[in-house]
Amino acid sequence: QSALTQPASVSESPGQSITISCTGTSSDVGAYNFVSWYQQHPGKAPKLMVYDVTNRPSGVSNRFSGSKSGNTASLTISGLQAEDEADYYCSSYTSSSNLVVFGGGTKLTVL
Amino acid sequence: QVQLQESGPGLVKPSQTLSLTCTVSGGSISNGDYYWSWIRQPPGKGLEWIGYIYYSGSTYYNPSLKSPVTISVDTSKNQFSLKVSSVTAADTAVYFCARVGDSRPGYYIDYWGQGTLVTVSS
Repeated sequence: QSALTQPASVSESPGQSITISCTGTSSDVGAYNFVSWYQQHPGKAPKLMVYDVTNRPSGVSNRFSGSKSGNTASLTISGLQAEDEADYYCSSYTSSSNLVVFGGGTKLTVL
Repeated sequence: QVQLQESGPGLVKPSQTLSLTCTVSGGSISNGDYYWSWIRQPPGKGLEWIGYIYYSGSTYYNPSLKSPVTISVDTSKNQFSLKVSSVTAADTAVYFCARVGDSRPGYYIDYWGQGTLVTVSS
């Protein structure tokens, strides 16, 4: 069982928006603004999409945005495109000895 | 542009030691600006953090791992390595080496290697 809870799957039509949630605790997501999101296509390495809750690395589309409220972080993808179909993982710094925790991943299907 | 490349055997027998090396190019491990990490992903499953290392040799390991783990660094070769001892089938996974985008462990990963599949089987 993963430390951060994500929905196993979500789906939406092209052009629409979708939000993926990532729920942790007051020891990780709720305590620190160090949540990151990764996109992983089949057989590929993960790619950083959002870091420090809201920041986008250079080269990542502004269709991807992050936010946080309490113990839950969210990744919103607007104007869905076929290429966005992938697995998405959240991660957070944690005060426990683990240092970092991952979510179980969410499979996004663009219908 | 930083690039990371994993290398090592793709098949390891149960109870033996899994050994992988990550070669970093496009940046120096010893400039001290970043931590370096190993992360693994069992087939069809999610990501699991294994550990971090700094150029000085300072390390952090995931206490939840069942198999003993050692991460080391060789700054002269711009490489860092992973050893997992007494492996079982549960250690079968794609292993990624990666760079932490900060000089503190536990933060986001900004560069990943392509990953290498290691299968534990007799």
